[in-house]
Amino acid sequence: GQNIDQPTEMTATEGAIVQINCTYQTSGFNGLFWYQQHAGEAPTFLSYNVLDGLEEKGRFSSFLSRSKGYSYLLLKELQMKDSASYLCAVISNDYKLSFGAGTTVTVRA
Amino acid sequence: IAGITQAPTSQILAAGRRMTLRCTQDMRHNAMYWYRQDLGLGLRLIHYSNTAGTTGKGEVPDGYSVSRANTDDFPLTLASAVPSQTSVYFCASSFGTDTDTQYFGPGTRLTVL
Repeated sequence: GQNIDQPTEMTATEGAIVQINCTYQTSGFNGLFWYQQHAGEAPTFLSYNVLDGLEEKGRFSSFLSRSKGYSYLLLKELQMKDSASYLCAVISNDYKLSFGAGTTVTVRA
Repeated sequence: IAGITQAPTSQILAAGRRMTLRCTQDMRHNAMYWYRQDLGLGLRLIHYSNTAGTTGKGEVPDGYSVSRANTDDFPLTLASAVPSQTSVYFCASSFGTDTDTQYFGPGTRLTVL
């Protein structure tokens, strides 16, 4: 099976930076997604990485190292509305998404 | 309709009953998926459909069946519900079947007693 690990919880202060790490061991690799999920709501797309390096989108950036089986999602200038779960998901050889359990980020005032 | 919808929003069901969760998308996406989300386990794929008329099994298919008679609809049926099927169910769709972004419906919260 696929193995995708990310921390269960993180807490940070409004205006700060938080980095959510994701490590994976999968049957092949065809890309990595990050999704945001607010409590009681559907996951929504944040980013997609397939090549090594950093992808920046406003306050959110995502990094990928395929050789290390590692990605991180960087949230800058944290706002209260960023309190949510962040899901790391990998596309393996069968082109199906496998998800990590998610990281719950709590932003404190 | 805009995007992907699911019905019902929530349901309490007696064990042994049959239940169908509905999913409809109006984005003309080819691929559709059903996931369940349980605390501490993340989203797990139940069944998928790459295109109308075809379906496939995901990671946790036992106890569930699906059909894909047309592009827009992808219902999930629990033939005889059991308490372990208590979960939040999300339907998703994507334009293609390889690396295209999946878009999720709002979910159905199902409790089997």
